[in-house]
Amino acid sequence: AQSVTQLDSQVPVFEEAPVELRCNYSSSVSVYLFWYVQYPNQGLQLLLKYLSGSTLVKGINGFEAEFNKSQTSFHLRKPSVHISDTAEYFCAVILNAGGTSYGKLTFGQGTILTVHP
Amino acid sequence: NAGVMQNPRHLVRRRGQEARLRCSPVKGHSHVYWYRQLPEEGLKFMVYLQKENIIDESGMPKERFSAEFPKEGPSILRIQQVVRGDSAAYFCASSESSGGHNEQFFGPGTRLTVL
Repeated sequence: AQSVTQLDSQVPVFEEAPVELRCNYSSSVSVYLFWYVQYPNQGLQLLLKYLSGSTLVKGINGFEAEFNKSQTSFHLRKPSVHISDTAEYFCAVILNAGGTSYGKLTFGQGTILTVHP
Repeated sequence: NAGVMQNPRHLVRRRGQEARLRCSPVKGHSHVYWYRQLPEEGLKFMVYLQKENIIDESGMPKERFSAEFPKEGPSILRIQQVVRGDSAAYFCASSESSGGHNEQFFGPGTRLTVL
């Protein structure tokens, strides 16, 4: 069975500082990788996804993530954060099982990013 | 362009009552997923449905919980005889097709409180 570990439950940063949110996964087959953001009392919004190809993936709101197969990681980065980036971020995987793959997401525990002025 | 709609947004039930959570997917989407977010825990998959069919219910408790996605109307997640441990946020997501690469669009969730 696959699993996702987000190494930091909370990450406080100051505005305009860079940030990295860490995500590692475990799976016996290849996976698709996702980052979602959840603002308070709202649903999840897709930030970016890795399906195949280039390991550096760019998403919305200036976020990017790099897939590292050897380290089974998919860390999320932003070079300069804003107050409005304060939210909870979830890393997730879907098994890439070819024709039998469907969208059953397995989530990490979430990382609360707090941006201070 | 309506996204995924969930209602009610907040639901309060007393122990032993029934809870019905509704999810209207994005127009044209025929694949629906339900997830549960318990306090202090991440989101967990519960069930995956296509129109009129349950494809995978491996994440749903065997008792008291059921889900449906009829040919017409919203998907329903039903919890019978609720207990305090059912208090959580329940999210519905929809996608256009079944492939894992397809984006899932999430609703705002229903927050269930069991007194």
